[in-house]
Amino acid sequence: RKEVEQDPGPFNVPEGATVAFNCTYSNSASQSFFWYRQDCRKEPKLLMSVYSSGNEDGRFTAQLNRASQYISLLIRDSKLSDSATYLCVVNMDGGFKTIFGAGTRLFVKA
Amino acid sequence: NAGVTQTPKFQVLKTGQSMTLQCAQDMNHNSMYWYRQDPGMGLRLIYYSASEGTTDKGEVPNGYNVSRLNKREFSLRLESAAPSQTSVYFCASSGSSGLGSPEQYFGPGTRLTVT
Repeated sequence: RKEVEQDPGPFNVPEGATVAFNCTYSNSASQSFFWYRQDCRKEPKLLMSVYSSGNEDGRFTAQLNRASQYISLLIRDSKLSDSATYLCVVNMDGGFKTIFGAGTRLFVKA
Repeated sequence: NAGVTQTPKFQVLKTGQSMTLQCAQDMNHNSMYWYRQDPGMGLRLIYYSASEGTTDKGEVPNGYNVSRLNKREFSLRLESAAPSQTSVYFCASSGSSGLGSPEQYFGPGTRLTVT
């Protein structure tokens, strides 16, 4: 079983749609959680951290469920510019053991 | 600030050739990392350097060596390239404090093909 699993997609949604991605992780000792965004043939960039209480950044909302060991990302009012691959990232020990999921591809259509 | 820079951007090698990928960061980060990314797989850690003067193996270190030249620079060397090392290589850095920070900043990547 992979340590971090994501639905690879692709998710094809129209502009303005709401889309949600889930990610599960296997190590209950995981400490920190993130969503990164990766555009085609570019480097990954931090989108947002994920906190137990849930957190929001504009149209993006991230949730963490430690009991079920999953993380979610909700994108509201999708824009064409949201088309990218979204990577779920789990950190074990404060820095050096960081596991990246394989990513979920999102295509937003006009 | 340039952030994290990598050279070269593209490289084609023949099996058995050697090369060094260069990485530098100007964010005064203590920790630096080398990853490879293959289709359908997440980024996999090759080596990391928690701080200047230290290096440690990651998940897939075989066939690679690294040097933390100074606080800014972290290089990755392929001694005898193999087709299985065809991949996109990313360098990253994190943390301006004494401990590694899980928020990592990536360079633009090196696309390596081994024929």
